[in-house]
Amino acid sequence: GDSVTQTEGPVTVSESESLIINCTYSATSIAYPNLFWYVRYPGEGLQLLLKVITAGQKGSSRGFEATYNKETTSFHLQKASVQESDSAVYYCALGESNYNVLYFGSGTKLTVEP
Amino acid sequence: GGIITQTPKFLIGQEGQKLTLKCQQNFNHDTMYWYRQDSGKGLRLIYYSITENDLQKGDLSEGYDASREKKSSFSLTVTSAQKNEMAVFLCASSIVGQGYEQYFGPGTRLTVL
Repeated sequence: GDSVTQTEGPVTVSESESLIINCTYSATSIAYPNLFWYVRYPGEGLQLLLKVITAGQKGSSRGFEATYNKETTSFHLQKASVQESDSAVYYCALGESNYNVLYFGSGTKLTVEP
Repeated sequence: GGIITQTPKFLIGQEGQKLTLKCQQNFNHDTMYWYRQDSGKGLRLIYYSITENDLQKGDLSEGYDASREKKSSFSLTVTSAQKNEMAVFLCASSIVGQGYEQYFGPGTRLTVL
């Protein structure tokens, strides 16, 4: 079945450092799944950070970027310079079918130290 | 904007008990979802519904029933609570079609004694 594997947490980085959270996927039921990054900030609900629905394209939001790479089946999340406010749990997800059924990775807890 | 409301926020039950979780959305979305999240893990789909009175099973549907009696609400029933089902249950809704964002509720935390 479909599945997502992402960087095991927790991850701790210092403010202004660069960040990469790895995400790879396996899609057996659909050739071109949609790919998402969701985020849960402390005390808040799960919300969409960014998405890419076309292979080869890049999505970006709040300084984060992720490129949909079909060859390596990857969708890594990157940011050049993190801030304390980026501390959160990040989830990579794969969406398949017209009803957008999502398969989530296990989540990566990020702590950004001042 | 809209909102998804889940009740109750905390649910405590006894092993073997039948328990019901409720979800309401005012986005006017057609599709609604129930996910379960165990501590330190990702979300797993239990049921989804593409329209009123429709039900589709997810990978984790065994031990659960669901009901979509109207467009704005989606209920989940744990048919016989088990100790290993302590988890957070998240409801979500979305526009029909590929690639649309799912909007999530705040969750119901289930504890089975």
